[in-house]
Amino acid sequence: AAGVIQSPRHLIKEKRETATLKCYPIPRHDTVYWYQQGPGQDPQFLISFYEKMQSDKGSIPDRFSAQQFSDYHSELNMSSLELGDSALYFCASSLVGTSTSPQYFGPGTRLTVT
Amino acid sequence: GDSVTQMEGPVTLSEEAFLTINCTYTATGYPSLFWYVQYPGEGLQLLLKATKADDKGSNKGFEATYRKETTSFHLEKGSVQVSDSAVYFCAPGSGSQGNLIFGKGTKLSVKP
Repeated sequence: AAGVIQSPRHLIKEKRETATLKCYPIPRHDTVYWYQQGPGQDPQFLISFYEKMQSDKGSIPDRFSAQQFSDYHSELNMSSLELGDSALYFCASSLVGTSTSPQYFGPGTRLTVT
Repeated sequence: GDSVTQMEGPVTLSEEAFLTINCTYTATGYPSLFWYVQYPGEGLQLLLKATKADDKGSNKGFEATYRKETTSFHLEKGSVQVSDSAVYFCAPGSGSQGNLIFGKGTKLSVKP
């Protein structure tokens, strides 16, 4: 079965640079979530989209923005990168995102900021 | 806000031992409850879920029962295997879109 696809899998950037992470949800899933997992930490919710509209917002810095496109893929744009942004970024998708819908996670993008 | 408290690890068990990982949560309303597992170097995989009180989620020998009265969702397995070594996360769904609130994660190591 098709899973959530994230690209790139690894990314190395310098401080103050920008980065774009991409997420392709499971076919027919209409809801996308972004999470950030720092080293040795639990994943933290950043932002979610349902039917191309932002549906919920968590601890996402103002330097980050995201959107969901007409084909339901999503991109997380990160600017003015800081060392503390180094983390594993997960995308998850679900069908008709509600509190009962399970989320299926991608393999993550490991971002290293030097 | 919504939160979850999970048993701290690491937990080290011998193969075929009984496993319990405690999880309690605070939330408005009655969220769906999930357990996710993260194997070394991999992403998060859904292990099991329960969507209402007294529901029992089960998968791969793991079980957890939604206890509304104690706001708990403890994970159990009767006989663990070396291949169960991973980090386990308890996560209630929060908000209208069900974004997940993760616990700190419990690292399980199973020795042969």
